Amino acid sequence: AQTVTQSQPEMSVQEAETVTLSCTYDTSENNYYLFWYKQPPSRQMILVIRQEAYKQQNATENRFSVNFQKAAKSFSLKISDSQLGDTAMYFCACRHYGGATNKLIFGTGTLLAVQP
Amino acid sequence: DGGITQSPKYLFRKEGQNVTLSCEQNLNHDAMYWYRQDPGQGLRLIYYSQIVNDFQKGDIAEGYSVSREKKESFPLTVTSAQKNPTAFYLCASSIGQGVQPQHFGDGTRLSIL
Repeated sequence: AQTVTQSQPEMSVQEAETVTLSCTYDTSENNYYLFWYKQPPSRQMILVIRQEAYKQQNATENRFSVNFQKAAKSFSLKISDSQLGDTAMYFCACRHYGGATNKLIFGTGTLLAVQP
Repeated sequence: DGGITQSPKYLFRKEGQNVTLSCEQNLNHDAMYWYRQDPGQGLRLIYYSQIVNDFQKGDIAEGYSVSREKKESFPLTVTSAQKNPTAFYLCASSIGQGVQPQHFGDGTRLSIL
């Protein structure tokens, strides 16, 4: 079965510093996609970054980057120059490629608090 | 602007009552999804639909029903058979396969009276 694990229920970081959120996943498939979603207090789910498993290069979106270690099945999110607006719940998610569905499997989330 | 609209934002259900949560999208997406979110847990898939007039059960479909009569609409009915319906419900849509992400609505908070 496909599972996603986020082992850090809560994290805190000072404004302007860097923080890394951990995510590991378990899948028997070779082709899949990985995502990080952000859920601020407004509860809206916002896509932060995505990574195709067949790509070795780590994805980057402005202050957000990932460290994708396929062999270790690890997909951590690094937030640089943290801002107060980054305070949110962060979810890691995985989806198989070419499967019958576009089904996302989510982790349980990491609550990130950015302190002024 | 294109997006996903969920309504109502808050909904209350009496014991033994069925309630329907609305989800409409104007993104021209083929696929639509319903998720349930409980405190301390990630999102869990209730139902999904990849095309009009077709839908499939997700991981926690018991006590729920859906319909997909139009591409834009994917309403979720929480039936009286769902004994623990209090949760936050999120609707999402996507173009289809590939790396295209799912886009989410703002959610509906359902509570029991």
